[in-house]
Amino acid sequence: EIVLTQSPGTLSLSPGERATLSCRASQSVSGNYLAWYQQKPGQAPRLLIYVASSRATGIPDRFSGSGSGTDFTLTISRLEPEDFAVYYCQQYGSSPRSFGQGTKLEIK
Amino acid sequence: EVQLLESGGGLVQPGGSLRLSCAASGFTFRSYAMSWVRQAQGKGLEWVSSISGSGTTTYNAESVKGRFTISRDNSKNTLYLQMNSLRAEDTAVYYCAKDRDIWGDAFDIWGQGTMVTVSS
Repeated sequence: EIVLTQSPGTLSLSPGERATLSCRASQSVSGNYLAWYQQKPGQAPRLLIYVASSRATGIPDRFSGSGSGTDFTLTISRLEPEDFAVYYCQQYGSSPRSFGQGTKLEIK
Repeated sequence: EVQLLESGGGLVQPGGSLRLSCAASGFTFRSYAMSWVRQAQGKGLEWVSSISGSGTTTYNAESVKGRFTISRDNSKNTLYLQMNSLRAEDTAVYYCAKDRDIWGDAFDIWGQGTMVTVSS
């Protein structure tokens, strides 16, 4: 099973700042099949990015994904108030599909 | 509008059984693989089980293998999760989720979740 480790655990930033979230895999992710999700309290996760860098339908272009192999990054270029949430990465290149433990993005 | 609506959660004693349902609408249900993902209170996401569009192929996490069974009724646009021999560690919100495109893809649509509590 591929283990995903996200860092930092908590990121404290202000609106308008740039956020950089990391996801590192214990082995190479096949096909760069890496997704990012956003989850707000009491809500279901929402798909942001798939195949490492493709934005899902309706996702603003301030969200971008990059990386390959074992190291992936989610970047939010200019934080909006609604972006403060928990973010999860997920690999789906091999079974079982596994998630990282999450990064909480909080308002500074 | 594409929508998934779970039901069937509740309080059950250890060793008991529960069946979750997920009603789908707004897309061609039979064309997409579907999955269950759970989340314990204050914890991260854990993939539980997946089923192909036709229902002929299923896959379960080791933690639920032999206890949980995923199935679907394409005539009713409904996904199911039969949970037997429930344990306290199965307590979580259970989400159904749609594979974005191909089997084993990212999850592009999620339901609102249904709470399962295993306690005496």
